Amino acid sequence: QKEVEQDPGPLSVPEGAIVSLNCTYSNSAFQYFMWYRQYSRKGPELLMYTYSSGNKEDGRFTAQVDKSSKYISLFIRDSQPSDSATYLCAMSSATSGTYKYIFGTGTRLKVLA
Amino acid sequence: GAGVSQSPSNKVTEKGKDVELRCDPISGHTALYWYRQSLGQGLEFLIYFQGNSAPDKSGLPSDRFSAERTGGSVSTLTIQRTQQEDSAVYLCASSSTGQGASQPQHFGDGTRLSIL
Repeated sequence: QKEVEQDPGPLSVPEGAIVSLNCTYSNSAFQYFMWYRQYSRKGPELLMYTYSSGNKEDGRFTAQVDKSSKYISLFIRDSQPSDSATYLCAMSSATSGTYKYIFGTGTRLKVLA
Repeated sequence: GAGVSQSPSNKVTEKGKDVELRCDPISGHTALYWYRQSLGQGLEFLIYFQGNSAPDKSGLPSDRFSAERTGGSVSTLTIQRTQQEDSAVYLCASSSTGQGASQPQHFGDGTRLSIL
């Protein structure tokens, strides 16, 4: 079993829809959680960075962490065609070394105009 | 400000040749990371630098792979005697180091390596 599981998609939604992207994980020591967006032939771009449980909102993006369920989510409101990309989750724990992140394989999102 | 810069953006070479990939991190970032990304796979950790030293080289797949960092800034990843399975996108990331906190990593656009 992988430490971090992420549905590869592709996930296709109409423009304006609310998108929900998710990752599950097995290591209860994870404390730091990130979401990255990666366009084709580009490097991952940091979208959200959260510590421990709870919600964090930034514009149309909301990151949610549920440590009891070992589940994190990224919600995109009013999705746009420009949101079409691969979304990667990443997480780390202080016990394994705060530098070491484990990445999901990414979910490919297509927002249809 | 300037982000993480990687060169070359694309590299095509013949099997058996050596290649050198370069990463210029964000100014002031003491931590630097190399990853490999293959189609349909997640990011595979290769090596981590803190300043000029590499406390974690555990991800380097074989002794054909090596990396160095000089002056606490630019890093080069060298692959000797390349094999076809080395074909992938090699990504570099950097981060600042916080006391007792995990800092997010910022990525370059990668070097797309193709071994013929």
